[in-house]
Amino acid sequence: GAVVSQHPSWVICKSGTSVKIECRSLDFQATTMFWYRQFPKQSLMLMATSNEGSKATYEQGVEKDKFLINHASLTLSTLTVTSAHPEDSSFYICSARDGGAWNTIYFGEGSWLTVV
Amino acid sequence: KQEVTQIPAALSVPEGENLVLNCSFTDSAIYNLQWFRQDPGKGLTSLLLIQSSQREQTSGRLNASLDKSSGRSTLYIAASQPGDSATYLCAARLSDSNYQLIWGAGTKLIIKP
Repeated sequence: GAVVSQHPSWVICKSGTSVKIECRSLDFQATTMFWYRQFPKQSLMLMATSNEGSKATYEQGVEKDKFLINHASLTLSTLTVTSAHPEDSSFYICSARDGGAWNTIYFGEGSWLTVV
Repeated sequence: KQEVTQIPAALSVPEGENLVLNCSFTDSAIYNLQWFRQDPGKGLTSLLLIQSSQREQTSGRLNASLDKSSGRSTLYIAASQPGDSATYLCAARLSDSNYQLIWGAGTKLIIKP
């Protein structure tokens, strides 16, 4: 079946540095990808929606200059957390829409970010 | 605005028991509802997806039901096993054209051997 690969699964970075998380659709073309964030004991919250070749649409309260999303191809979207701070430590997960399979949405495995 | 609630937040039961996890949503106009499993430090595993026109879906020891009129979905786990210990999340998709999922906060399930 369709697979969405997310990398890295775990990342620790120093405060002030940037970290990039990749989300790849392995056997389908993902017209749309979604990025979610989950803080401990809270629901997953949608951060942004990205369509291939266009700028991402960010949800209210999400800083687009801090969370850079690039969806340059139909199989790859990246989330870059710039100038990371400890409060950015969270679980980030992407999902991708397979436009060729009744718009089924598949999820990546998620990435745990710890900023120290 | 659609809100999804899962109660209880945590549940601990002895091995072998049948159990029910609850998910409620405020707006009955949903496209589908999905149940996921999240293991500590890991990603999400999709368990069952119920379309708005369906009333239930079954997979092995899992059965999910959907009652749109009352804004409720339940996940029934039969003959629970320690390996079922995880956080269970439900998420509602709003419409055919809207792919955003609205998530509950999850129920942390512990099955005691």
